[in-house]
Amino acid sequence: AQSVSQHNHHVILSEAASLELGCNYSYGGTVNLFWYVQYPGQHLQLLLKYFSGDPLVKGIKGFEAEFIKSKFSFNLRKPSVQWSDTAEYFCAVIPNFGNEKLTFGTGTRLTIIP
Amino acid sequence: NAGVTQTPKFRVLKTGQSMTLLCAQDMNHEYMYWYRQDPGMGLRLIHYSVGEGTTAKGEVPDGYNVSRLKKQNFLLGLESAAPSQTSVYFCASSYGPGTGVVGYTFGSGTRLTVV
Repeated sequence: AQSVSQHNHHVILSEAASLELGCNYSYGGTVNLFWYVQYPGQHLQLLLKYFSGDPLVKGIKGFEAEFIKSKFSFNLRKPSVQWSDTAEYFCAVIPNFGNEKLTFGTGTRLTIIP
Repeated sequence: NAGVTQTPKFRVLKTGQSMTLLCAQDMNHEYMYWYRQDPGMGLRLIHYSVGEGTTAKGEVPDGYNVSRLKKQNFLLGLESAAPSQTSVYFCASSYGPGTGVVGYTFGSGTRLTVV
């Protein structure tokens, strides 16, 4: 079975700082990878996803993520964060084949200080 | 522009009471899922369904039952609520594997408190 690790539990940054959130997965086959964001009091929204092709994926609101297959990683980045990026971020993985069950990491809480 | 609708949005239960959470989707998705979200633990899969009339256990199924009598609805039941079931519950749906469309649509969540 697949698993996802997010090692940063809580990240605090000032506005305009650069962001990188780590995500590592464990699975023996090919996977689809996702980053979801959850703003305070809201449900999960898809930020970006990787299926195949270019390992650098661009999402909404200036976020991007890079799939490094050799490292089983899919880190989320943003060059300059804003106060409105304060939220919880979840990395998730689905195997390419078989029953489609999304497995989530434990999440990273991001706090942006104005 | 509906998508996935969960009812109720909030509920407080006493220990031992029962309740049913309803999830409805209007996207003709085959697969539906119930997750619970707890601080520091991310989202954990409770039960899921791969089509009308089917259900299967996820990672944390104990204390919950589900039913999928109609394709568009997925019900989550708590027969005898316990304080450990205090959580935020999210429903999601998807087309399923082999369709070429990957990704879930989430509902807005149900915040349940058991006292």
